[in-house]
Amino acid sequence: EAQVTQNPRYLITVTGKKLTVTCSQNMNHEYMSWYRQDPGLGLRQIYYSMNVEVTDKGDVPEGYKVSRKEKRNFPLILESPSPNQTSLYFCASRPGRHNSPLHFGNGTRLTVT
Amino acid sequence: GENVEQHPSTLSVQEGDSAVIKCTYSDSASNYFPWYKQELGKGPQLIIDIRSNVGEKKDQRIAVTLNKTAKHFSLHITETQPEDSAVYFCAATPSAAGNKLTFGGGTRVLVKP
Repeated sequence: EAQVTQNPRYLITVTGKKLTVTCSQNMNHEYMSWYRQDPGLGLRQIYYSMNVEVTDKGDVPEGYKVSRKEKRNFPLILESPSPNQTSLYFCASRPGRHNSPLHFGNGTRLTVT
Repeated sequence: GENVEQHPSTLSVQEGDSAVIKCTYSDSASNYFPWYKQELGKGPQLIIDIRSNVGEKKDQRIAVTLNKTAKHFSLHITETQPEDSAVYFCAATPSAAGNKLTFGGGTRVLVKP
């Protein structure tokens, strides 16, 4: 089944404790992206990757890191999480051609206390 | 950059009635306008999209209209059913920034039986 898999689904952590949210897709998509969803703000792009070893900032990249060492994986790293990063996070992927539909994972709900 | 505003933020309709969600965008260069549906506990899923060379597109009970002059586009759902209850997001992207899809704030639709 074609899918984007995120782990974990729920995560509660404390300020400053480094964490990684994993994302994997099995559709051989070139493009992958991370979004955060907050009430009333919709989905805001954090980082995206056009292909292996090619990443770029989205609209809200502060406090986040990403890497794309393999085509299928695109982990999101929070080196020193803060309470304002409490949010619902989504990974998405699509083929490389412009304006292709995004395929989203089921989300990771992160709480930073 | 692009800015997308979406209204209303919540919408309650009686089963069988129509629902309309409206979005405006700021960048006149935007040329791709997808709509996503997010069910509880899941990631958003594309339901319909429209490109700037088309004024209207229909898919069964769902239709999208685009007015490029006024820079707004709308989602129309006819004969609503309880399974249409979800959060809906509009989005826009300019061709020059095809890697950055800007989302509206979302509309929570509740269809009452």
